[in-house]
Amino acid sequence: EDKVVQSPLSLVVHEGDTVTLNCSYEVTNFRSLLWYKQEKKAPTFLFMLTSSGIEKKSGRLSSILDKKELSSILNITATQTGDSAIYLCAVFGEYGNKLVFGAGTILRVKS
Amino acid sequence: DAGITQSPRYKITETGRQVTLMCHQTWSHSYMFWYRQDLGHGLRLIYYSAAADITDKGEVPDGYVVSRSKTENFPLTLESATRSQTSVYFCASSQTWARTEAFFGQGTRLTVV
Repeated sequence: EDKVVQSPLSLVVHEGDTVTLNCSYEVTNFRSLLWYKQEKKAPTFLFMLTSSGIEKKSGRLSSILDKKELSSILNITATQTGDSAIYLCAVFGEYGNKLVFGAGTILRVKS
Repeated sequence: DAGITQSPRYKITETGRQVTLMCHQTWSHSYMFWYRQDLGHGLRLIYYSAAADITDKGEVPDGYVVSRSKTENFPLTLESATRSQTSVYFCASSQTWARTEAFFGQGTRLTVV
């Protein structure tokens, strides 16, 4: 059975801190890994990582895929209160038809 | 409007009733997904579809039925609603085979009383 596990489940930091969120996966026929940010509504897309693109960066956010360890990390530097959200990791497995999510990491950034 | 829309946004129903949640996308994406979101569980996959008339069970399909007679629509039916099905339901669609992100609808908050 496909599985995506995120850690930690929740995290509280102060503005300016750097955080690292973890995602590990066990899926049949891995195709790609995605990171989403969810505030009080629908998830919004952050990054997609594939075997041909294992590192992505956008502003203060960056993500790396470790194909050997079957895991990914999402880094956020110089955190701001607007980064407070649930961060979701998802994996396309099973020939790309099935998108499975982890339970998410709840990040709270205190001012 | 272009995009993916869900209806209704909010629904209260009684135990035992049948209820259908609608999902419509205007991009002609091949892949569509239904998730439920509960505290501590993230998004759990209920059903997914690779194309019209092709559907498969996800992690938590019991008590749910889907159909996909047209590419743009992917309704989710709760045949006999139970309190445990109280949740927020998200529909999503994706264009290509695992190479593009999935886009989400606004969600439907369903309460079963």
